[in-house]
Amino acid sequence: DAGVIQSPRHEVTEMGQEVTLRCKPISGHNSLFWYRQTMMRGLELLIYFNNNVPIDDSGMPEDRFSAKMPNASFSTLKIQPSEPRDSAVYFCASSLERTDTQYFGPGTRLTVL
Amino acid sequence: KQEVTQIPAALSVPEGENLVLNCSFTDSAIYNLQWFRQDPGKGLTSLLLIQSSQREQTSGRLNASLDKSSGRSTLYIAASQPGDSATYLCAVSTGANSKLTFGKGITLSVRP
Repeated sequence: DAGVIQSPRHEVTEMGQEVTLRCKPISGHNSLFWYRQTMMRGLELLIYFNNNVPIDDSGMPEDRFSAKMPNASFSTLKIQPSEPRDSAVYFCASSLERTDTQYFGPGTRLTVL
Repeated sequence: KQEVTQIPAALSVPEGENLVLNCSFTDSAIYNLQWFRQDPGKGLTSLLLIQSSQREQTSGRLNASLDKSSGRSTLYIAASQPGDSATYLCAVSTGANSKLTFGKGITLSVRP
């Protein structure tokens, strides 16, 4: 299996622009997680889906952030409008069930100028 | 609110040394605890997962223990090698939705 796939790997954009991050989980996994990692705050869970349904989005920082999972093999995390403080590495992870081992993608490094 | 602490933030040891990485958490009502490894610029790789009913898990030179009542876990690395140099993160799964809360990690450097 190719593992969790994320795109793009790097994104540089200007403040105010819309950013869309993409994730393809491991085939057969029922749970998908979006995390953000910064030096100051470490790794934080933003949202997670179980069977394509958002279960917990309490980590989403504000209304500028939205996430969708239209089918079992694809998810997006959108930031609109982006701000410099959104600069971070965003990880997607998937697991068979929500309490099982999570497998992480390589991450998207986002820089908002 | 669950909080996970890993101290120290960084550790440097000579090759061949056996070492212990510590993790503590504030809420003992956990479902499981996981140890991850992160190499610079990379994603996280799961090393070991301990269910709340277990006390330890082993994989090769790695052994992780769990003491739920005291809110502690340790990751033991035997005969450390330069290839073990990475950041090691501990994460606990708690709450109705079993979401993971991560520590900030311990950056390990193994000197040849």
